[in-house]
Amino acid sequence: DTAVSQTPKYLVTQMGNDKSIKCEQNLGHDTMYWYKQDSKKFLKIMFSYNNKELIINETVPNRFSPKSPDKAHLNLHINSLELGDSAVYFCASSQEELAGGGNEQFFGPGTRLTVL
Amino acid sequence: AQSVTQPDIHITVSEGASLELRCNYSYGATPYLFWYVQSPGQGLQLLLKYFSGDTLVQGIKGFEAEFKRSQSSFNLRKPSVHWSDAAEYFCAVGPRNTDKLIFGTGTRLQVFP
Repeated sequence: DTAVSQTPKYLVTQMGNDKSIKCEQNLGHDTMYWYKQDSKKFLKIMFSYNNKELIINETVPNRFSPKSPDKAHLNLHINSLELGDSAVYFCASSQEELAGGGNEQFFGPGTRLTVL
Repeated sequence: AQSVTQPDIHITVSEGASLELRCNYSYGATPYLFWYVQSPGQGLQLLLKYFSGDTLVQGIKGFEAEFKRSQSSFNLRKPSVHWSDAAEYFCAVGPRNTDKLIFGTGTRLQVFP
């Protein structure tokens, strides 16, 4: 009964490769997010989608491309992986109960990406 | 610029002791304020949030936080810590027109028996 799930949990790959991380939520939420947590535990938002539309796009390299085939899924594709991409990537979702922000976000367990 | 500061990187307390984790924010207006907890190998779980009204907010697992506008602070407290509270705690602010969250750098809590 996992609310927000991510696959894979661990991903080890070589520099220059292309990889994808998948996220699914079964909460019926309209909005999904990707966050990056670096080695110092600093957590920063990358993207958010609302009903398959891109809402937030932080200053993330073009090598990162989110894709939302439907509102229950938000996948993250990364091209030409670099050493600095090593991090834990968290997916999250929320439902807009309050107009104007502040809605609770539910996080997945994370995907630990290691680029060698 | 919007920012969140958690001055304590690492805190160690004995089980049963009281706890206070500090959080200061920088924002033009009163934002939404959150505390999340991250257990090892897990995602983040919301402990509590402040939107408006009563400045003392009650959360899950016996936690509470107090919003002090004059100090731009939102400190998290618990009167008696349990060993299972050992985790990483994140304070976050959210501007009032978006669901974007800005996180602090976290405070790692260790609990000794």
